[in-house]
Amino acid sequence: QVQLVESGGAVVQPGRSLRLSCAASGFIFGRYAVHWVRQAPGKGLEWVATVSYDGRNKNYGDSVKGRFTISRDKSKNTVYLEMNSLREDDTAVYFCAKDGGGYNFGSFDYWGQGTLVTVSS
Amino acid sequence: DIRMTQSPSSLSASVGDRVTITCRASQGISTFLAWFQQKPGRAPKSLISAASSLQSGVPSRFSGSGSGTDFTLTISSLQPEDFATYYCQQYNNYPLTFGGGTKVEIK
Repeated sequence: QVQLVESGGAVVQPGRSLRLSCAASGFIFGRYAVHWVRQAPGKGLEWVATVSYDGRNKNYGDSVKGRFTISRDKSKNTVYLEMNSLREDDTAVYFCAKDGGGYNFGSFDYWGQGTLVTVSS
Repeated sequence: DIRMTQSPSSLSASVGDRVTITCRASQGISTFLAWFQQKPGRAPKSLISAASSLQSGVPSRFSGSGSGTDFTLTISSLQPEDFATYYCQQYNNYPLTFGGGTKVEIK
């Protein structure tokens, strides 16, 4: 069965960096894009970033562009989110999600359980 | 950016009720529309993709319809496990965007 397991969430000070990981299993990793989506406390869902199946194409939401970097390692079946210059409004649960593929590219068919990032001084 | 507007933002309903949630896109998105269910403290769960295609394992009481700018999610007979928050999401183009959510509460 498809599994996505996030890790790396922590409490960090504003301006610092953090790297999240998403370990994937149960599907052919190299065939699907993977996304990061976040949810601030008590708020809705916000798409953060997408990496294509082969890692060549990356897209970012405006609120993180220039500060966050998404990447993937096919040897480890893992997707990363490198977060720099963190701000208090980056505080959220970060979910990774598998892309639906094909016609449904850009949708999310499986989600991880999430990892909490708290940015606070 | 495509803005997704859900209504209502919350509703109260009883077990067995028929519930309809609407989602409107600020511009046409064909049928590149997904619906998710989220319970408190849990990850979202995919219900529907391509506006009307039920994900594997999702009960048939859930259905989706629409194309272009106007979409609906219908729960034909609300069950106790359906009390949750529902989100629509467009994937016609980047940035991928979500509606603000509809909280379905017990009356």
